[in-house]
Amino acid sequence: SYVLTQPPSVSVAPGQTATLTCGGNSIGTKAVHWSQQRPGQAPVLVVYDDSERPSEIPDRFSASNSGDTAALTITGAEAGDEADYYCQVFDPDSDHWVFGGGTRLTVL
Amino acid sequence: QVHLVQSGPEVKTPGDSVKISCKASGFIYSTTGITWVRQAPGQGLEWVAWISNYGGATKYAQKFRDRVAVTTDGFTNTAYLELRSLRSDDTATYFCARAPHYYFDFWGQGTVITVSS
Repeated sequence: SYVLTQPPSVSVAPGQTATLTCGGNSIGTKAVHWSQQRPGQAPVLVVYDDSERPSEIPDRFSASNSGDTAALTITGAEAGDEADYYCQVFDPDSDHWVFGGGTRLTVL
Repeated sequence: QVHLVQSGPEVKTPGDSVKISCKASGFIYSTTGITWVRQAPGQGLEWVAWISNYGGATKYAQKFRDRVAVTTDGFTNTAYLELRSLRSDDTATYFCARAPHYYFDFWGQGTVITVSS
């Protein structure tokens, strides 16, 4: 089955840029979606279809997808961005949705 | 606005079955699918199942295929997840989410299912 690999943790200083990666075999050929989950809350979609943002998500969140790596970039990191971030794709070979293991972003 | 409101917490014994619900509002229910995702304590997200609009098609994660069923009621705009032969490792928070395409754009608040003897 298709596997998505995310680093367990990333740290960023306030105001700086954080880049969270999501690795998968030829992931650039798939549509990647990113969700943010703050502690004790339900996930929130922050990016869909590789780089599209829901209207309520600030443009500090951007994303890209090419080759074997997709990335979510958060510019001007804020304390409120501290959360777990999950990448996700649909794998047509298995007819399954797949999540990465998640990356905990710490803003310190 | 879009709301998905899930049923309350459940405490079950190993071997039991459970059926939880997800009531939708704020959008035309028949236009999108609904998916179910679970999260064990301290763990990541795990996709469980999906049902299409009108309930005409379903997909299940391989590991749950023989124990899970998803249904939908277009009259009450409610989706259901039933999990049978519960085990202790089914203890998790179960989320429903709207699936307008291959992404999940609005999520319910989650239902905690605890399986313990």
